[in-house]
Amino acid sequence: GAVVSQHPSWVICKSGTSVKIECRSLDFQATTMFWYRQFPKQSLMLMATSNEGSKATYEQGVEKDKFLINHASLTLSTLTVTSAHPEDSSFYICSATTLTYEQYFGPGTRLTVT
Amino acid sequence: SQKIEQNSEALNIQEGKTATLTCNYTNYSPAYLQWYRQDPGRGPVFLLLIRENEKEKRKERLKVTFDTTLKQSLFHITASQPADSATYLCAPSDSSASKIIFGSGTRLSIRP
Repeated sequence: GAVVSQHPSWVICKSGTSVKIECRSLDFQATTMFWYRQFPKQSLMLMATSNEGSKATYEQGVEKDKFLINHASLTLSTLTVTSAHPEDSSFYICSATTLTYEQYFGPGTRLTVT
Repeated sequence: SQKIEQNSEALNIQEGKTATLTCNYTNYSPAYLQWYRQDPGRGPVFLLLIRENEKEKRKERLKVTFDTTLKQSLFHITASQPADSATYLCAPSDSSASKIIFGSGTRLSIRP
């Protein structure tokens, strides 16, 4: 199957700093990528849809100025958590869709804000 | 609003038996439905995709059905093994497949 990578796999940062998470589709091109957040023992919550070359579409309740998404190429999307606070600590997961609509997920990034 | 329900939060099955997981959706007419497996601390792993015009799909010990009248999908694991223990997520997607919405998941435990 298709492979999606994320970097870093985990990160610890201080409150008020910004953190960038990268998502790459390694063996296919993805015009659309998605960013999810998952809290312990909960399901994945879609944050935004990232389209190559255009602005991301954010889900209701997700602050676009806090979670900056850039989809610069067909294989790379980045999520930047700006001015992070402890409540932003979570498991962030990206995914990419193939031409046959199968969606493949990255391994996730564990963010801890102290 | 769209709602996806998976039959139970947790399911315990004896090794060798068939595990059946249920996904029901309301206020929604998905064109596709995907099933994923998620292990703790990891991203979901794609298992199967079934289209609205397909009744059933199989892959090795896995079988998925899709009943658009009942608005339900069933996910079966035959000859279950302890290694099948994980959380399984149901994820319908719309006609443009622009985004998918996840169910809450069913935590499956296979006991030896």
